[in-house]
Amino acid sequence: GAVVSQHPSWVICKSGTSVKIECRSLDFQATTMFWYRQFPKQSLMLMATSNEGSKATYEQGVEKDKFLINHASLTLSTLTVTSAHPEDSSFYICSVMWGSYNEQFFGPGTRLTVL
Amino acid sequence: GENVEQHPSTLSVQEGDSAVIKCTYSDSASNYFPWYKQELGKGPQLIIDIRSNVGEKKDQRIAVTLNKTAKHFSLHITETQPEDSAVYFCAARPYDYKLSFGAGTTVTVRA
Repeated sequence: GAVVSQHPSWVICKSGTSVKIECRSLDFQATTMFWYRQFPKQSLMLMATSNEGSKATYEQGVEKDKFLINHASLTLSTLTVTSAHPEDSSFYICSVMWGSYNEQFFGPGTRLTVL
Repeated sequence: GENVEQHPSTLSVQEGDSAVIKCTYSDSASNYFPWYKQELGKGPQLIIDIRSNVGEKKDQRIAVTLNKTAKHFSLHITETQPEDSAVYFCAARPYDYKLSFGAGTTVTVRA
């Protein structure tokens, strides 16, 4: 399957600051990437679909001005959590589609803790 | 949109026994059904998937069955081992490539 990396693997920040999370497709060019959020003991919730060279598509209820997504190249998408607050603390995971049936492969995730 | 329900939420089995997880979906347009295994602190790992033109698929100790008429699909793990302990998620996807996930099943394999 596709190999996806995320950086950083974990980050702690102060309330009110911004945090950038990177998602890289290591072995193929991904025109579409997805960003998910997962709270403890819960399922994955799709936040947005990141499209290379165009604006991201956000799911209902996700603030696009708070969660900025940039898919500037075919191998890199970034998620910036702006003015982070403790309720933004979560596990953020990206994924890419690859294969003849567009299988989805996930990155290792980024644990964000906002103090 | 698609709604996926998954049962049970927790499952404890003795090593060597089988584990079965069941999911139902609501959107008849869904045609792709993957299963993911997530270990603590890690991203989900695709372990097996099935498409709507297939009723059953097997990969070593893991098998998945699909009943499109009843809109349900199941994951079967045989000869369970301690390393099978994890959270398992089913998902369904219609034409727009957006996966809808079940709530997850925490599987514990007792040695």
